[in-house]
Amino acid sequence: AQSVAQPEDQVNVAEGNPLTVKCTYSVSGNPYLFWYVQYPNRGLQFLLKYITGDNLVKGSYGFEAEFNKSQTSFHLKKPSALVSDSALYFCAVRVSNRDSNYQLIWGAGTKLIIKP
Amino acid sequence: DVKVTQSSRYLVKRTGEKVFLECVQDMDHENMFWYRQDPGLGLRLIYFSYDVKMKEKGDIPEGYSVSREKKERFSLILESASTSQTSMYLCASSLYGQISNQPQHFGDGTRLSIL
Repeated sequence: AQSVAQPEDQVNVAEGNPLTVKCTYSVSGNPYLFWYVQYPNRGLQFLLKYITGDNLVKGSYGFEAEFNKSQTSFHLKKPSALVSDSALYFCAVRVSNRDSNYQLIWGAGTKLIIKP
Repeated sequence: DVKVTQSSRYLVKRTGEKVFLECVQDMDHENMFWYRQDPGLGLRLIYFSYDVKMKEKGDIPEGYSVSREKKERFSLILESASTSQTSMYLCASSLYGQISNQPQHFGDGTRLSIL
């Protein structure tokens, strides 16, 4: 079955330290992968995507993600965390559905807490 | 800038009522989506539409219907609300006719409580 997993419900990082939010996937064919962020009481905002090409993708707010085909992972990273990065992060993957259309399936989300 | 507007941030309704959630986008996007968000479950797709008057079922369409009479507006209808439909509802839109590699733009959500 096609799926996406975020193995950590919550990640705690001290301000200034590097952060990683994990995502693994299982799809047939080439994956299209996305990261979104949700701040409290807001909708989701697009951060970055991997379609093809360079395995290291750079996105908004200093975030980047590394596509690893052999490990079927797409972890979100940032070299130096800010308190304002505290939010809920979602990984999503494009899949083909029963009608041969595409849709996104979403991970359960990871709550990122950056402590001063 | 891209703008997706959901008509209500908070809504309280009673069991059995017919509930309408409205969503408007100003980007001339072809695709529009309705999701529900529940803790620990991520986002689950209810319905989507890739053109006016077109609709496709998502993963959890039971108990819901949708309407898209104009390109900019996508309505979600709870035919007879139940307590199990208490949730955060998110509307989104994106470019193009197929659900391809374009990012989705989200509204701020409607937190719906069914009593």
